[in-house]
Amino acid sequence: EPEVTQTPSHQVTQMGQEVILRCVPISNHLYFYWYRQILGQKVEFLVSFYNNEISEKSEIFDDQFSVERPDGSNFTLKIRSTKLEDSAMYFCASRPPGQGNEQYFGPGTRLTVT
Amino acid sequence: GNSVTQMEGPVTLSEEAFLTINCTYTATGYPSLFWYVQYPGEGLQLLLKATKADDKGSNKGFEATYRKETTSFHLEKGSVQVSDSAVYFCALSDRGRDDKIIFGKGTRLHILP
Repeated sequence: EPEVTQTPSHQVTQMGQEVILRCVPISNHLYFYWYRQILGQKVEFLVSFYNNEISEKSEIFDDQFSVERPDGSNFTLKIRSTKLEDSAMYFCASRPPGQGNEQYFGPGTRLTVT
Repeated sequence: GNSVTQMEGPVTLSEEAFLTINCTYTATGYPSLFWYVQYPGEGLQLLLKATKADDKGSNKGFEATYRKETTSFHLEKGSVQVSDSAVYFCALSDRGRDDKIIFGKGTRLHILP
């Protein structure tokens, strides 16, 4: 069964450094998402991406964040200058076209900013 | 805005007990409703879903019915197992163009053998 994959599973970085989190969505999916989950808290929407552009973003997704689909398979989340409060689990998700289809989540990348 | 409220955890039950995790939502329009499960150390897995009023989603012995009149989507299971220990998230998808998912805070379930 196809699945969303994410790398790395755990990333440790120092405050102020740039990080890129990588995701490979399911191949026939057209909508892509990033969510984050701060430890012990709820999962929060960050951004959605369709047709090579951002469709919607939350207030969390400020100028320090960017997303890109550099080729036909990868979908990346970049944080330019990480802060301590960026420490969280980041989940990528994708879904096929058509309304009401559920999103398929990857296993997540745990980002630790020290 | 749209939101999901679910019962606080942790919930601790003995094996074979009956489970209910309450979930209510606030939404404009007619969202799709979901329960996701997160097992220890793993990502989010869709457990079940319902896309319109009175639909019942079911999977692995879990059930939830989309109740528009009470804006609820309570999760139930008749006989829980130790392997059901996980965090359960109620969620909705506002049926805009991109169907972003809005999650509740999650309920940690601990089943004792």
